[in-house]
Amino acid sequence: EADIYQTPRYLVIGTGKKITLECSQTMGHDKMYWYQQDPGMELHLIHYSYGVNSTEKGDLSSESTVSRIRTEHFPLTLESARPSHTSQYLCASSLGTGPQETQYFGPGTRLLVL
Amino acid sequence: GENVEQHPSTLSVQEGDSAVIKCTYSDSASNYFPWYKQELGKGPQLIIDIRSNVGEKKDQRIAVTLNKTAKHFSLHITETQPEDSAVYFCAASKNSGYSTLTFGKGTMLLVSP
Repeated sequence: EADIYQTPRYLVIGTGKKITLECSQTMGHDKMYWYQQDPGMELHLIHYSYGVNSTEKGDLSSESTVSRIRTEHFPLTLESARPSHTSQYLCASSLGTGPQETQYFGPGTRLLVL
Repeated sequence: GENVEQHPSTLSVQEGDSAVIKCTYSDSASNYFPWYKQELGKGPQLIIDIRSNVGEKKDQRIAVTLNKTAKHFSLHITETQPEDSAVYFCAASKNSGYSTLTFGKGTMLLVSP
């Protein structure tokens, strides 16, 4: 079982609210990722980080932002939530910065924006 | 960029039967092909991977085959059990520090007792 945690697990929030999804890992992994998973199951990479103070945008354009101030922590923030942000958000981490390291996923946060 | 196609999107089998999920990729430079399993309410978990210098890899009831010429790879599960029911994702990446995994759209496998 991977030591990667996401909170909250479920969140229902009104339009316009600012939210932060938390992701922490205790494995000392350098690289961390955020994926958005739509109801059709497909995984879309929205952000990733090679290490502290490194953030990159993923393949899918997202209105969210991320920060990496500490190795173990990679929070995702939505400044003004909209119904189109309703989705499941999965955080992952990998040991090295190369693309061929095993990614360990957290359990996900299900977000519903009303 | 890389494009990974995965088929079928859903697969129903009887317990004990075999299941095969197929993926194709577009970038001939890709050389790492992992498979992830996602159970209900959980994040995906790596179950097996293969690199381009290997044609086949087995781990108990699961195996992966790779055809670099045709740019496709497959997951084979033998003697399926109800606990194999999950969503399976294939993925591909290049061996570059700036590369990321490109996932297929997933296959929902249902194993009936």
